[in-house]
Amino acid sequence: EAGVAQSPRYKIIEKRQSVAFWCNPISGHATLYWYQQILGQGPKLLIQFQNNGVVDDSQLPKDRFSAERLKGVDSTLKIQPAKLEDSAVYLCASSPPAPGPPLGEQFFGPGTRLTVL
Amino acid sequence: KQEVTQIPAALSVPEGENLVLNCSFTDSAIYNLQWFRQDPGKGLTSLLLIQSSQREQTSGRLNASLDKSSGRSTLYIAASQPGDSATYLCAVIGNDMRFGAGTRLTVKP
Repeated sequence: EAGVAQSPRYKIIEKRQSVAFWCNPISGHATLYWYQQILGQGPKLLIQFQNNGVVDDSQLPKDRFSAERLKGVDSTLKIQPAKLEDSAVYLCASSPPAPGPPLGEQFFGPGTRLTVL
Repeated sequence: KQEVTQIPAALSVPEGENLVLNCSFTDSAIYNLQWFRQDPGKGLTSLLLIQSSQREQTSGRLNASLDKSSGRSTLYIAASQPGDSATYLCAVIGNDMRFGAGTRLTVKP
């Protein structure tokens, strides 16, 4: 079974530039998550999708970050404009449908390492 | 708000030692607790998932315990090997998933 795919793996940009990350979840997984992991910290949830609807985006800095999941499969996360403090690894995860809480087990992609200069 | 703490932040041991990593959380109303391994530049690999009704889970040289009432979990690694060197993260699963900052483990040959 193919895992969660992410691209690019690495990205270096200058502050104020824009960047986009792509995620392809495991086939059949209804829930998709984007996490931000700053060096030395644990991952922090940015946004959670259930199919193509947003379940939780309370920690997404909406003035500069946006995400979409068209057709309930692939997802893109965009930063515009980027700041120095956005340097981090951006992890995508997906989980299968669950009949109720708790969340289905999450499977993580390899991440995209973003460096903002 | 759930807060997850992992101690120690870093640990260095000689090969062959048994070791314990600690995870504590502030809100005991959780469904599951999960331990992950993260290698440099890589994503997260799930090691063990303990449901709230369970006390422990074992996989090979790894054993994870959960004491929900005291808000603690431990990951025990037996007979450590250099290949175990990585960052170990615990995550508590309630209405969302909250991670600790991780313990960076180095096993020296």
